Amino acid sequence: GENVEQHPSTLSVQEGDSAVIKCTYSDSASNYFPWYKQELGKGPQLIIDIRSNVGEKKDQRIAVTLNKTAKHFSLHITETQPEDSAVYFCAASKGNGQNFVFGPGTRLSVLP
Amino acid sequence: DTAVSQTPKYLVTQMGNDKSIKCEQNLGHDTMYWYKQDSKKFLKIMFSYNNKELIINETVPNRFSPKSPDKAHLNLHINSLELGDSAVYFCASSQDFSGGTQETQYFGPGTRLLVL
Repeated sequence: GENVEQHPSTLSVQEGDSAVIKCTYSDSASNYFPWYKQELGKGPQLIIDIRSNVGEKKDQRIAVTLNKTAKHFSLHITETQPEDSAVYFCAASKGNGQNFVFGPGTRLSVLP
Repeated sequence: DTAVSQTPKYLVTQMGNDKSIKCEQNLGHDTMYWYKQDSKKFLKIMFSYNNKELIINETVPNRFSPKSPDKAHLNLHINSLELGDSAVYFCASSQDFSGGTQETQYFGPGTRLLVL
């Protein structure tokens, strides 16, 4: 089955700096890659996603890149703010829900 | 307007008891899910329901059973609770299970289960 790895497990950055979180997946049939943000005591919230027919997607300060050949995708957050502090999860899916597998998460701390 | 809601938010119970967690979504979605998040924050899918049919049943103990009285609800029943069942359980929903552009899953706030 699908296996999703995520690095780093923890990340601390200064406010205003950029943060990058990387994920790799094992199943080449996966074609949908969402990123979720989970704040303390809350459920995961989708922040951006990308499909296999696209190499990059951007939404304001957040961008995701996908390298299908290498089977890895990354989340980029620019101009980080304290409210970006949370646990971020990547996930991979074949698009039918059966292999919606999450990475282990990255705890991001943005220091003021 | 809460999109996906769960009750209760906290559940503390004794080993061996039977408990239920309720989930409701007002998004008109076709598919609902249950996830378990352990103490290390690892999220693992447990079940999904599409049009009142169970279409995923991951390798979870049969003490866990999803019940869907209608399209907007997917409740989780747990029998003979064990210490290892302590975790946060999340309900989620999505519009289309078949991989269309609306596969985004929307999560509820979670139910924190503690088995003593």
